[in-house]
Amino acid sequence: QVQLVESGGGVVQPGRSLRLSCVVSGFTFSSYGMHWVRQAPGKGLEWVAVIWYDGTNKYYADSVKGRFTISRDNSKNTLSLQMNSLRVEDTAVYYCAREIGRSNYADLGYWGQGTLVTVSS
Amino acid sequence: EIVMTQSPATLSVSPGERATLSCRASQSVSSNLAWYQQKPGQAPRLLIYGASTRATGIPARFSGSGSGTEFTLTISSLQSEDFAVYSCQQHDNWPPKVTFGGGTKVEIK
Repeated sequence: QVQLVESGGGVVQPGRSLRLSCVVSGFTFSSYGMHWVRQAPGKGLEWVAVIWYDGTNKYYADSVKGRFTISRDNSKNTLSLQMNSLRVEDTAVYYCAREIGRSNYADLGYWGQGTLVTVSS
Repeated sequence: EIVMTQSPATLSVSPGERATLSCRASQSVSSNLAWYQQKPGQAPRLLIYGASTRATGIPARFSGSGSGTEFTLTISSLQSEDFAVYSCQQHDNWPPKVTFGGGTKVEIK
C-alpha cells in the first residue's frame, strides 16, 4: 500500500535551517508530482511547494520562496524540503503529499502523518 | 493570488441531516477545485476533485458541485464519522500555485 513517512522536524531557533524528508513506498515514486503542505497550530492548511515527477519544475508559495527548496531523489524514493532562514511563523506540521495521478495536478490523495517544526528562541 | 473563502466557519448539524458547505474563489478557477476532510490529529483526506468527482472509496453521500467561483460540498445525511473540518483547495493553471480555503468545521448540534 502507498506509504509516505516524514521525518526531520524539531525545535529550531529563528534564522536557522532544517531539512525535512519524506520516504515513500508502495508506488512508483518517479511517476508522480509531490507537494509539501503545512498547517500551523490550530490553523488551516497552507500549500508550500510542488516538484514535478521528474524534478524538472518546482514552484513555491510566496511565503517561502527564496528560503525553502524542494527536491527529490527518485533512486531513493525520497522527497526533501530544505528550510533556511526559518521564522517563527514557519511553525507548523509539515505534510508531504502525492497527487492521485499524472493528470491530476494538486489532487492530493495520499498524505504522510506529518512532522512538527517549531521555530522558537 | 487567488483567495478561497469558505462559509460558514462552523456548521452545527444533527446526525442524519444534510450539510451544505460553500467555497468561493476570488476569480475563476474553472473546475480546478478539491475538497478535503480532516479530523483532529490526522492528515487531510481527499474527498472530491475536479469540483465533482468523488475520490476512491468516498461514500456517495458526499457530493461536490460548482464551477468558476462558486462551489458546494454537500453531505446528504451526516454520519457520526463525518464531523470534521472540511477545506476546499484550488490550483492555478499557470503558475501552478495551490491555495486552500480556511476550512469549515462541521460539529454535532
